[in-house]
Amino acid sequence: KAGVTQTPRYLIKTRGQQVTLSCSPISGHRSVSWYQQTPGQGLQFLFEYFSETQRNKGNFPGRFSGRQFSNSRSEMNVSTLELGDSALYLCASSFTGAGNQPQHFGDGTRLSIL
Amino acid sequence: DQQVKQNSPSLSVQEGRISILNCDYTNSMFDYFLWYKKYPAEGPTFLISISSIKDKNEDGRFTVFLNKSAKHLSLHIVPSQPGDSAVYFCAASPNLYGGATNKLIFGTGTLLAVQP
Repeated sequence: KAGVTQTPRYLIKTRGQQVTLSCSPISGHRSVSWYQQTPGQGLQFLFEYFSETQRNKGNFPGRFSGRQFSNSRSEMNVSTLELGDSALYLCASSFTGAGNQPQHFGDGTRLSIL
Repeated sequence: DQQVKQNSPSLSVQEGRISILNCDYTNSMFDYFLWYKKYPAEGPTFLISISSIKDKNEDGRFTVFLNKSAKHLSLHIVPSQPGDSAVYFCAASPNLYGGATNKLIFGTGTLLAVQP
């Protein structure tokens, strides 16, 4: 059974650019969440989607946005990139949105801002 | 405000012995707890979870204990193996009135080193 797939694995951008990251959840999973991992802040919740609707959003500026498609695939977008956006961005999927089942993570997209 | 805390940044254990990783939380609204293992350059791998209605859950070598009154959970690995060497994160999910959520709040992680 295929796991969560994130593309691309690595990305280098410059300040001011925008970027779109993609996540394909495990087949049958309808919930997708995004997290940012940095050495200083650890793993932080960005947002969560279930059935194409954003249900929760973390404490990030509006430059961070996302969406979910009808096939449960999700994208997140970061506009006007800043040096501090350099991080590992992780996507996780879960079968339901009930909050009582484990989420399974992809291997992430490593974003570097120059 | 760190709602989920792992106070030990690292732990070293001999192969075959028990590894005990600890996690404390402050938010009484958390009702589902998970442990993840993470290797460098990979995403976190789910290990085991526990609902707040239980105080223990076991899966093979892994057992999670939950003490709600102390707002404390721990992960026991018995016996520890060199392949268990990784960073371990505990995570908690809040019970939001008016709707469910898959939002996870993570601890800062504990680096476990199992010595052969």
